[in-house]
Amino acid sequence: DTEVTQTPKHLVMGMTNKKSLKCEQHMGHRAMYWYKQKAKKPPELMFVYSYEKLSINESVPSRFSPECPNSSLLNLHLHALQPEDSALYLCASSQDLTNSLNTEAFFGQGTRLTVV
Amino acid sequence: RKEVEQDPGPFNVPEGATVAFNCTYSNSASQSFFWYRQDCRKEPKLLMSVYSSGNEDGRFTAQLNRASQYISLLIRDSKLSDSATYLCVVRSISSGSARQLTFGSGTQLTVLP
Repeated sequence: DTEVTQTPKHLVMGMTNKKSLKCEQHMGHRAMYWYKQKAKKPPELMFVYSYEKLSINESVPSRFSPECPNSSLLNLHLHALQPEDSALYLCASSQDLTNSLNTEAFFGQGTRLTVV
Repeated sequence: RKEVEQDPGPFNVPEGATVAFNCTYSNSASQSFFWYRQDCRKEPKLLMSVYSSGNEDGRFTAQLNRASQYISLLIRDSKLSDSATYLCVVRSISSGSARQLTFGSGTQLTVLP
């Protein structure tokens, strides 16, 4: 099973709403990532969790709040978003072993978010 | 200077053509290198890892030059189904043991009938 599952696939929310994006993997990967991708741009890293601890926060505004309840799950809580936050939000996972260099990341299909 | 740079293209080539993409990276401590492919409105998918000795997978050949901090992808006998955006991806250690993937801006390829 080399699958990363994201829900929902599409989300429309108002600027005062609170919503959550969910990501799940059962590959035993210990690193999980959130990326944001705008149209015709590459994915931009938001957060990295390594062994269920937040390792990297790329200066993401506090209206985005990640959570890693266990090694298989990663959430992204959204609150008071702006229309410019509309984008494709991609979750990824990879092994994070110090002796394994060429470990690729597997991506979920993404959540296409529209903020109105 | 961007950490990972690619020629954005677009590359429009006829079926059967050979096309090459280049990528340069600025972090000399980068550890792992990949080419991903992304179709329109889909997630990125791994095309191939790039090894120091160079590697080939069917019509695709990847090369790495650590001294020049340069990665390449060669596609031979291109097919219509090769039309996509090709992303050069570099992995480096950030804080602690966490590794992050940094994406180039992507090169758009269209193979024409």
